Amino acid sequence: QKEVEQNSGPLSVPEGAIASLNCTYSDRGSQSFFWYRQYSGKSPELIMSIYSNGDKEDGRFTAQLNKASQYVSLLIRDSQPSDSATYLCAVNGAKGSARQLTFGSGTQLTVLP
Amino acid sequence: DTEVTQTPKHLVMGMTNKKSLKCEQHMGHRAMYWYKQKAKKPPELMFVYSYEKLSINESVPSRFSPECPNSSLLNLHLHALQPEDSALYLCASSQDRVAGELFFGEGSRLTVL
Repeated sequence: QKEVEQNSGPLSVPEGAIASLNCTYSDRGSQSFFWYRQYSGKSPELIMSIYSNGDKEDGRFTAQLNKASQYVSLLIRDSQPSDSATYLCAVNGAKGSARQLTFGSGTQLTVLP
Repeated sequence: DTEVTQTPKHLVMGMTNKKSLKCEQHMGHRAMYWYKQKAKKPPELMFVYSYEKLSINESVPSRFSPECPNSSLLNLHLHALQPEDSALYLCASSQDRVAGELFFGEGSRLTVL
């Protein structure tokens, strides 16, 4: 079983819609959760961090964490073509060691004009 | 503008060559990382330096040799690589060794002939 699983995608949404990206993780002791955006041919860029249950909003992005369900999601409101990228979920274990930072395989998002 | 700078951006080398990848950060971060990323895969951790000391080596073959001359610089020395080592090599830094909020450089795309 993969430790961090994401929708395999690709996911296509029309411009202006809400894109919903999901991630589940297997380590119940996980403490910190991250979303990275990676444009084709570029490096990953951190867009959201979330550490406690609930929602965290930053502009058009909302991260949602439910530790009981071992689930973290990223909502992108008013999606724009410039949001088209691969989104990587990353989860860190209880000790926060770099070795415990596990990336999901990524969900490719395409926002259609 | 990225605050983690990697050079070169592209490198082509033969299996008998010796080359180096360089990374520099000016954010005062105390942890620096090397990741390897193959196409359509998430980044894979190779090495972690914390306070200029090697703290994690993820069983990387000895043909990859990391070096951290000071807190701002990280090198990856390459020797006798194989074609399967062709990948995007990403340098990242974080505030400290509790990883998760990583700042990636633009990457060095390596092709081994």
